Amino acid sequence: EPEVTQTPSHQVTQMGQEVILRCVPISNHLYFYWYRQILGQKVEFLVSFYNNEISEKSEIFDDQFSVERPDGSNFTLKIRSTKLEDSAMYFCASTSGQRNSPLHFGNGTRLTVT
Amino acid sequence: AQSVTQPDIHITVSEGASLELRCNYSYGATPYLFWYVQSPGQGLQLLLKYFSGDTLVQGIKGFEAEFKRSQSSFNLRKPSVHWSDAAEYFCAVGGSTGAQKLVFGQGTRLTINP
Repeated sequence: EPEVTQTPSHQVTQMGQEVILRCVPISNHLYFYWYRQILGQKVEFLVSFYNNEISEKSEIFDDQFSVERPDGSNFTLKIRSTKLEDSAMYFCASTSGQRNSPLHFGNGTRLTVT
Repeated sequence: AQSVTQPDIHITVSEGASLELRCNYSYGATPYLFWYVQSPGQGLQLLLKYFSGDTLVQGIKGFEAEFKRSQSSFNLRKPSVHWSDAAEYFCAVGGSTGAQKLVFGQGTRLTINP
């Protein structure tokens, strides 16, 4: 069964550094998402992306965040200047967008900002 | 505003016992409801979903859930749990097709006693 894959599984970075989290959505999917889960808290929506542009973003997704689909397969989340509070598990998800088609999530990237 | 409440933060059951995890939602339109499971260090795996039709839905791993519109609930059940069911369970609500932003509950951590 096709999967959403994310790399790396764990990223450690210093405060103020830029970090790029990478995702390969399922190949025939058209809608892409990033969610995050701070340790012990609920999974929160960050951003959705369709047709090469952001379709919706949450309050969390400020100017420090950006997303890109640089080619036909990758979907990236960039954090320009990381803060301690950015430490979380980041999940990529995708869906075909067809009726009754659920989100498929990757295994996540654990980001630790020190 | 859309919201999901999982009243039980942590539940412990004995192996072989029955299980019910509670989920209540608030959603302005017809809700699309999901249960995801997260094993330690893993991503979010879809257990089951409700879009329409039969209010009792069957999922993977022997789980089922019942949609009760009058109670705004979507409780997850399993007749007999196995030690491998120990995980975090998340209920989520979303829209229909396309940009399917999900709102998650806080999660319920399930511990299985041998």
